[in-house]
Amino acid sequence: QSALTQPASVSGSPGQSITISCTGTSSDVGGYNYVSWYQQHPGKAPKLMIYDVSNRPSGVSNRFSGSKSGNTASLTISGLQAEDEADYYCSSYTSSSTLHWVFGGGTKLTVL
Amino acid sequence: QITLKESGPTLVKPTQTLTLTCTFSGFSLSTSGVGVGWIRQPPGKALEWLALIYWNDDKRYSPSLKSRLTITKDTSKNQVVLTMTNMDPVDTATYYCAHGVLRYFVLDVWGQGTTVTVSS
Repeated sequence: QSALTQPASVSGSPGQSITISCTGTSSDVGGYNYVSWYQQHPGKAPKLMIYDVSNRPSGVSNRFSGSKSGNTASLTISGLQAEDEADYYCSSYTSSSTLHWVFGGGTKLTVL
Repeated sequence: QITLKESGPTLVKPTQTLTLTCTFSGFSLSTSGVGVGWIRQPPGKALEWLALIYWNDDKRYSPSLKSRLTITKDTSKNQVVLTMTNMDPVDTATYYCAHGVLRYFVLDVWGQGTTVTVSS
């Protein structure tokens, strides 16, 4: 079961926008709209930020948005804030595994 | 309000069997479309799926760990139990359980996690 591919790290200055990519295949990201994103601060449990590619759960800031093109999903954070510094993981349904769920390798976001 | 909490030993010896319990509230694991999953995270590393059990007792396992894992549920006690056999130091990690929603293939609420160290 291969993980989805994410950049190891991204960075941005406060107020800027950044985008984190999540690349899969037609068996996961490209084939279904079950892409979700999780934020994880050090020592804390992951928190759901985006589901179904672009939907935000109640309480999540509208500075977080999601999209998908082909086999690549993206998480965009606009108006970067210091509190956004965290690890971000994408996840997708996959038809290539009997488990049906797969995570990305994670991206460390640094706010400069 | 949905909450989940993991419990189990903090230290296990190599070759031993690990048993973790996820005790939850705010939902029923007999409700259609609901599941509870187990995910782990070695120190400094990425999240890794272990197993998931659905409301209908359908069980899914990580292909690479399937031979070592067993997941069960006790609906009356609101608990999900994960056992992992033949523990090794590489299994040292924080283990999380989470509430899954099949409709969106999403884990919308996570437990705080429990740290397990494998060492002699």
